[in-house]
Formats: sequence, C-alpha cells, structure tokens
Amino acid sequence: GAVVSQHPSWVICKSGTSVKIECRSLDFQATTMFWYRQFPKQSLMLMATSNEGSKATYEQGVEKDKFLINHASLTLSTLTVTSAHPEDSSFYICSAVGQGGNQPQHFGDGTRLSIL
Amino acid sequence: GENVEQHPSTLSVQEGDSAVIKCTYSDSASNYFPWYKQELGKRPQLIIDIRSNVGEKKDQRIAVTLNKTAKHFSLHITETQPEDSAVYFCAASYTGNQFYFGTGTSLTVIP
Repeated sequence: GAVVSQHPSWVICKSGTSVKIECRSLDFQATTMFWYRQFPKQSLMLMATSNEGSKATYEQGVEKDKFLINHASLTLSTLTVTSAHPEDSSFYICSAVGQGGNQPQHFGDGTRLSIL
Repeated sequence: GENVEQHPSTLSVQEGDSAVIKCTYSDSASNYFPWYKQELGKRPQLIIDIRSNVGEKKDQRIAVTLNKTAKHFSLHITETQPEDSAVYFCAASYTGNQFYFGTGTSLTVIP
C-alpha cells in the first residue's frame, strides 16, 4: 500500500520549454503533498508544500511564478517548471502524506529534468 | 522553525559490523521521526520511524532510539550487509504537514 506515482521519470528539453511533472497517490488520499529538489549527493530541499484545494506554500527562495504547483484533488498534484533554463536541471521528487496526524511521507520515484 | 542536524556525513563499515547515525533536532514540539534510505537515483524509502511517546523501536537489524530530553535520535543497523549501502536521511515533524530533513549520511558497507 501507500504508492506514489510520479511522471515523467526523465525529461530532456530545450531551454525556454515548460515542463509539467505529475505526482499521484494511487491507493490513498493525500491531504498534503510535498515537492523537493535534490542535487547530486545532497539532501532533499523542500520547495513547496501543497494542500488539496488551496494555494501551495513555497519555501523561501523558491520562485512561485517559476514553479507552479496545482493540487486539484486528493490524489494529484502537479509541478510545472515554466520557461526552464539549464540551472533548473535537477532531480525533482514529490511525496504524499495520508490523512491523519503524523503519517510518514511516501515518495515518488522522482523526475530527472535536464534542460539543454 | 525546526533545524535537524545529522552526523556523520559519510560512514564506512566492514560487513557484519554495526553502523550508527545520529540526528539532533531543535524544536521540542517535534514528535515524529522517520528514517529514509535512498539508493542512487531512486526514491527515498521509509525504513523505520518513531513517535515521541516511545524511546526505542526495533525492526530486525534496524533500530531507532529517541532521547526527547536531549533532542536527539539515532539509527542503528546491526550485522551490516553490502545492500545496506545507501544514503540515509533522518527527519523530524511536529505537525505532520512539515518535515525537516537532515543532510544525509552516505553509508558504505565494505564486503
């Protein structure tokens, strides 16, 4: 149980392109989803917290107009990297937390984004 | 906000030996502490967690201890195997809606 599906797993695109990444909780309802960015051999850097039906809460230094997050249902959140540039190349991982207090996060497989 | 520190950043042990990773946290309100294992290029996977009403939890070769007074918690892996090699992250949470991760420990088990 507690499966989180993230797509696509790998994206290569030209600079200036917008890229959408989907995060789905397959067998549970997720009131909260998180979006992380991870650089090689480094920890998970929280970008934003997404609650169903409300605006995402962005961490300091993360541009909300650059990284658009939509959490339209209890099972789906999307991250759109708008007008991506090479510096946006990274590993992006989502996670979802089930309903109820102090539940563990369940992570997606991550999306490797490469901007040429 | 919460600040989680994790040590060591790298750890090498001989196969069969034990490995210990330690984390400290700053916010006494934190009450949930999961540990994740991440293999290269893969998702972090929950391996064990502990809540603040418990001082120790064990699952086969893996154990976690929590000292609320000192605000630190530790991961213990006994009888290490090569497949235990990975990066391990600790985390702390007090709302269930925010998780603060440590910087990670790269564990290498030498056959």
